[in-house]
Amino acid sequence: QVQLEQSGAEVKKPGASVKVSCKASGFTFTSYGISWVRQAPGQGLEWMGWISVYNDNTNYAQRLQGRVTLTADTSTRTAYMELRSLRSDDTAVYYCARVTETSGSGSPPYYYYYMDVWGKGTAVTVSS
Amino acid sequence: DIQMTQSPSSLSASVGDRVTITCRASQSISRYLNWYQQKPGKAPNLLIYGASSLQSGVPSRFSGSGSGTDFTLTISSLQPEDFATYYCQQSYSTPIFTFGPGTKVDIK
Repeated sequence: QVQLEQSGAEVKKPGASVKVSCKASGFTFTSYGISWVRQAPGQGLEWMGWISVYNDNTNYAQRLQGRVTLTADTSTRTAYMELRSLRSDDTAVYYCARVTETSGSGSPPYYYYYMDVWGKGTAVTVSS
Repeated sequence: DIQMTQSPSSLSASVGDRVTITCRASQSISRYLNWYQQKPGKAPNLLIYGASSLQSGVPSRFSGSGSGTDFTLTISSLQPEDFATYYCQQSYSTPIFTFGPGTKVDIK
């Protein structure tokens, strides 16, 4: 069964760091990218970043650059998201999602990318 | 950066209605547009990728169209389980993705 299993809820104080895990099963981990998306209470979806599990290339949302780090451990099939210098507005549910690449028909070749498998989410609360 | 907008931000509809949600990109993104459905307390679920390709397992009452900057998600006959929030997402600038602000569909 293809799934992403995330770690449990966290409560942190302002200024602390949090590290959320996302364990993959049922598919070839190194053949996909993993994106992280967060959702503050009552708000929309915010893309945070992406990691290629194959070569560890990363890309981060500009507003989080310098505070977020994505990593992946192929031996345990687990991706991680670490967010530092936490603030109250980092309170959110954090999701990991598998990024799948599909080739379109036509020439020159082109590829569609989409998030087709999601973890259930990890609630992170930042409060003093 | 590519910005995404959606309209309306919310709508009320009845079971059986035809529902249309619009998504607009701040620049041309060809057909690199995905749609997701999210129900309260749940993770998003992929509906459409590549502007019009239906994800496996998604009911055929969902369809997507558009290219360039303007896109549409249509639900041909709204069902009770379709009341949710819908998000568009551009993948033109992969690996950087951007979501739209969402459209909430609720019961009239």
